[in-house]
Amino acid sequence: AQKITQTQPGMFVQEKEAVTLDCTYDTSDPSYGLFWYKQPSSGEMIFLIYQGSYDQQNATEGRYSLNFQKARKSANLVISASQLGDSAMYFCAMTPTGYSSASKIIFGSGTRLSIRP
Amino acid sequence: DVKVTQSSRYLVKRTGEKVFLECVQDMDHENMFWYRQDPGLGLRLIYFSYDVKMKEKGDIPEGYSVSREKKERFSLILESASTNQTSMYLCASSRPLEDEQFFGPGTRLTVL
Repeated sequence: AQKITQTQPGMFVQEKEAVTLDCTYDTSDPSYGLFWYKQPSSGEMIFLIYQGSYDQQNATEGRYSLNFQKARKSANLVISASQLGDSAMYFCAMTPTGYSSASKIIFGSGTRLSIRP
Repeated sequence: DVKVTQSSRYLVKRTGEKVFLECVQDMDHENMFWYRQDPGLGLRLIYFSYDVKMKEKGDIPEGYSVSREKKERFSLILESASTNQTSMYLCASSRPLEDEQFFGPGTRLTVL
């Protein structure tokens, strides 16, 4: 069965520091996609970054990068130069297959990130 | 700007009531999803739909049903609300063959 594990329920980081949010996954599918979503206190889920299992390079989107280590089945999110607005809940997620007519996403339990000024 | 909207941000109902949660998307997406979010459990899929009048059970469908009469609208129904259905409910939509899902703002349902 597919599973996403986020072992850090909460983290505190000083503003402007880099932060790494951990995510490990388990799947037997050869093809899958990995996501990170941000959920501020307002409740909406904001898509941050995507990594396909066959992508050769780690995904990057502005200050966000995904440290994809396939052999270790980890997909850590790195936020460089953290800002106060980064304080939120962060979810790692996975689709069991890369492409399907209605891809179901499996979510981890989330990490609450708090940025200190 | 693309948008997924949900009918209520906050809802309070009594045990045994029938509850309708509405979700509308304006992106012409075929796929729509209902999740519930609980602390420490992340998001869990209740039902999804990949076309009008089509529906599939997710991981926790018990106690819920859905309706998709129009492409843009996906409704979650609690036939007889119970206190263990107190939760945050999130709707999402996506295009076929694309994995990214776009989420609504969520409905925080309290069942007393």
